[in-house]
Amino acid sequence: DAKTTQPPSMDCAEGRAANLPCNHSTISGNEYVYWYRQIHSQGPQYIIHGLKNNETNEMASLIITEDRKSSTLILPHATLRDTAVYYCIVRGLGSSNTGKLIFGQGTTLQVKP
Amino acid sequence: EPEVTQTPSHQVTQMGQEVILRCVPISNHLYFYWYRQILGQKVEFLVSFYNNEISEKSEIFDDQFSVERPDGSNFTLKIRSTKLEDSAMYFCASSEGWGALNEQFFGPGTRLTVL
Repeated sequence: DAKTTQPPSMDCAEGRAANLPCNHSTISGNEYVYWYRQIHSQGPQYIIHGLKNNETNEMASLIITEDRKSSTLILPHATLRDTAVYYCIVRGLGSSNTGKLIFGQGTTLQVKP
Repeated sequence: EPEVTQTPSHQVTQMGQEVILRCVPISNHLYFYWYRQILGQKVEFLVSFYNNEISEKSEIFDDQFSVERPDGSNFTLKIRSTKLEDSAMYFCASSEGWGALNEQFFGPGTRLTVL
């Protein structure tokens, strides 16, 4: 699976959009971009995933660049409860993919009042 | 909404003792996982399990570790002889299918403290 790079920390004002970037320059054609988050030592929580098109669900939007080398997770109206560590993970469909998630250090998002 | 549950929430044990951590995955899920997170460090994959067999294990998952699905609902992680360095949060996860198109749902974790 391709390696990802994320900034270690970010701040966001409550009510504003939080934009969390992720670089995955070595991503291959059959690899998906997944986002999870972990709120204060709770179990990681799935947020969203995508292949090449932008995706939106009730939690967030995922914007993937045309060359697929980077992506941005957008929390449209961040709340204090969105304070968490956000993980960008690339996962493939190939036979070498065994389902495991490989977590990096992620981005610690601090939402401030 | 269905969820993964884990018991106990906190387990304290003496070094060298055996511990069993329990998980109840989401009922229609077929793939099960254990991860651990040492305090202040990243979440690490331990093992994946499907059809009553280990599918993959990490180098952390040595002979001291074992997993079992003793009945139709529980999924357990056993550590035979705990070490101080086994102190960590242990997360169970499950998914409906395999691979990149199936998100994993995580339990709240068991905090294991080895004294």
